[in-house]
Amino acid sequence: RKEVEQDPGPFNVPEGATVAFNCTYSNSASQSFFWYRQDCRKEPKLLMSVYSSGNEDGRFTAQLNRASQYISLLIRDSKLSDSATYLCVARVPYGGSQGNLIFGKGTKLSVKP
Amino acid sequence: GAGVSQSPRYKVAKRGQDVALRCDPISGHVSLFWYQQALGQGPEFLTYFQNEAQLDKSGLPSDRFFAERPEGSVSTLKIQRTQQEDSAVYLCASSLVGGIHEQYFGPGTRLTVT
Repeated sequence: RKEVEQDPGPFNVPEGATVAFNCTYSNSASQSFFWYRQDCRKEPKLLMSVYSSGNEDGRFTAQLNRASQYISLLIRDSKLSDSATYLCVARVPYGGSQGNLIFGKGTKLSVKP
Repeated sequence: GAGVSQSPRYKVAKRGQDVALRCDPISGHVSLFWYQQALGQGPEFLTYFQNEAQLDKSGLPSDRFFAERPEGSVSTLKIQRTQQEDSAVYLCASSLVGGIHEQYFGPGTRLTVT
């Protein structure tokens, strides 16, 4: 079982739709969580960190439920430019870097006109 | 300022050849990470450097994989006797210090072993 699991999709939605991605992690000692965005044939880029209290950045809202070991990302009023793969990431408390990043497989989103 | 750069961007190697992949981190970043991303998968950690010290190499899949960062700046990932299963995108990331700070990724090197 992978440490970070997410639905690979693809999610095909019309412009303006609201879409939600879910992710679960298995290591209860994971310290922090992130969503990364990866465009086709490009490198991953940090979209936002995820906090227990939930956090919002414009149209994007991230939530963390430590009891259920569950992370979500909500995208409101989706744009064509939101089309990408969204990677759920947990920082685990081992490794020489004071915490290695563990990536999920990614969820592919395609926003159509 | 300049981001993380990697070269070559694409590499085709015949099975059994050795390859060397280069990473230039962001200037001043102490920490450097290598990841392997297979098709349809998320990046998987290979190894980590703090300055010139390789503090974690637990993700290297075999002893054919070797990484170095001799002067604490540029890093090279070397793969000896390449196999088809080594075909992947190799991503380099750097951060200010350690895994706590944001990691900035380079564009990757796409390795195809034929």
